[in-house]
Amino acid sequence: DAKTTQPPSMDCAEGRAANLPCNHSTISGNEYVYWYRQIHSQGPQYIIHGLKNNETNEMASLIITEDRKSSTLILPHATLRDTAVYYCIVRTREGGAQKLVFGQGTRLTINP
Amino acid sequence: SAVISQKPSRDICQRGTSLTIQCQVDSQVTMMFWYRQQPGQSLTLIATANQGSEATYESGFVIDKFPISRPNLTFSTLTVSNMSPEDSSIYLCSALTGQHTEAFFGQGTRLTVV
Repeated sequence: DAKTTQPPSMDCAEGRAANLPCNHSTISGNEYVYWYRQIHSQGPQYIIHGLKNNETNEMASLIITEDRKSSTLILPHATLRDTAVYYCIVRTREGGAQKLVFGQGTRLTINP
Repeated sequence: SAVISQKPSRDICQRGTSLTIQCQVDSQVTMMFWYRQQPGQSLTLIATANQGSEATYESGFVIDKFPISRPNLTFSTLTVSNMSPEDSSIYLCSALTGQHTEAFFGQGTRLTVV
């Protein structure tokens, strides 16, 4: 089962920052938080990941709370092409094997 | 990064037949996975393809229905056996290149069973 909870949908105005929340209250100390997005049934695209520190790359920023029970993905200047389903995933290790278990994700719509 | 190619990209199959989907990665990877995405749904992990040994299946998926091969570090196949319309989905291959790096995904195989 997925270890994350996300709102099913969100809207954001073009040019504004999109802030996508994720709860992962059962995360273990060595488990990473990953964010992917899927545009119109293409293969999921990696965005960013982190363990406990905030991370930033050319696509987004990831803010992880100090207790690691939740995180927020920030798209600083959303464009229409950012409309997609965004998945927050805890990369789990079960039986020695790493795997990504997807939850239901957040459908983000960027409005002009 | 890694580039993952899946074949076929789409197919329409008759019920009762089988389809084998191929997944080729352009570099050696440590782990490969197969996912199913039913219409309007999220991705569901089918199994982890293990190199040189039997795949590890998730709850609800069995080897007789979804046999998987992984003969080397860059290639895997998933077979959807004895298909029914309920198997109509997108099937996606994924690969991990290391312990703390991102997983890469193929573009998927869109399967329609009629």
